[in-house]
Amino acid sequence: DTGVSQDPRHKITKRGQNVTFRCDPISEHNRLYWYRQTLGQGPEFLTYFQNEAQLEKSRLLSDRFSAERPKGSFSTLEIQRTEQGDSAMYLCASSLVSGQGDYGYTFGSGTRLTVV
Amino acid sequence: AQTVTQSQPEMSVQEAETVTLSCTYDTSESNYYLFWYKQPPSRQMILVIRQEAYKQQNATENRFSVNFQKAAKSFSLKISDSQLGDTAMYFCASTPGGGTSYGKLTFGQGTILTVHP
Repeated sequence: DTGVSQDPRHKITKRGQNVTFRCDPISEHNRLYWYRQTLGQGPEFLTYFQNEAQLEKSRLLSDRFSAERPKGSFSTLEIQRTEQGDSAMYLCASSLVSGQGDYGYTFGSGTRLTVV
Repeated sequence: AQTVTQSQPEMSVQEAETVTLSCTYDTSESNYYLFWYKQPPSRQMILVIRQEAYKQQNATENRFSVNFQKAAKSFSLKISDSQLGDTAMYFCASTPGGGTSYGKLTFGQGTILTVHP
């Protein structure tokens, strides 16, 4: 297992188009998170899964955003009708959370989205 | 809800010297975890150090150590013997130790650290 993988690394799209990003977490991890990061800012929570269940979605997330994690493996994040304000780095992370503690995230390299 | 504040947008240090990055947080939880993450330029974010709130002892990882002041809700990161490879953006983060948001990280705004030769 080589860590958390995200695809693509970069995406340029025209305003109004739909985009989909993929994340492959560390196989032993039971949690998968999506964050958004704009230049010079800290990551902002979008949503997370425990196994295949989506447990929380940010109230800041519009209905244009949807995420799935079929069978508790990889996850996809889709943005419909993209807007210029969606331009950001989209980070995926996974973690192993149990009754014994939280040992932090392993992050992927991110997908940089540019909406033109 | 948890909040994390990093009041130093940028810091710089000479190679081999020591630097301290500040972080304050606010939480209503009795148990929680605190983290420092490092994000080098154009590279992925990696975990530097982790602290469990119910542990009195400050965490250390090689040249990295924390000063955890629970009453003051302060969690600073000290980097000793700074190296050029320490140049990065550093994020402080927290998560509740239980409940529905257990494991969900809240990040600060980040501090850009530059190590000069």
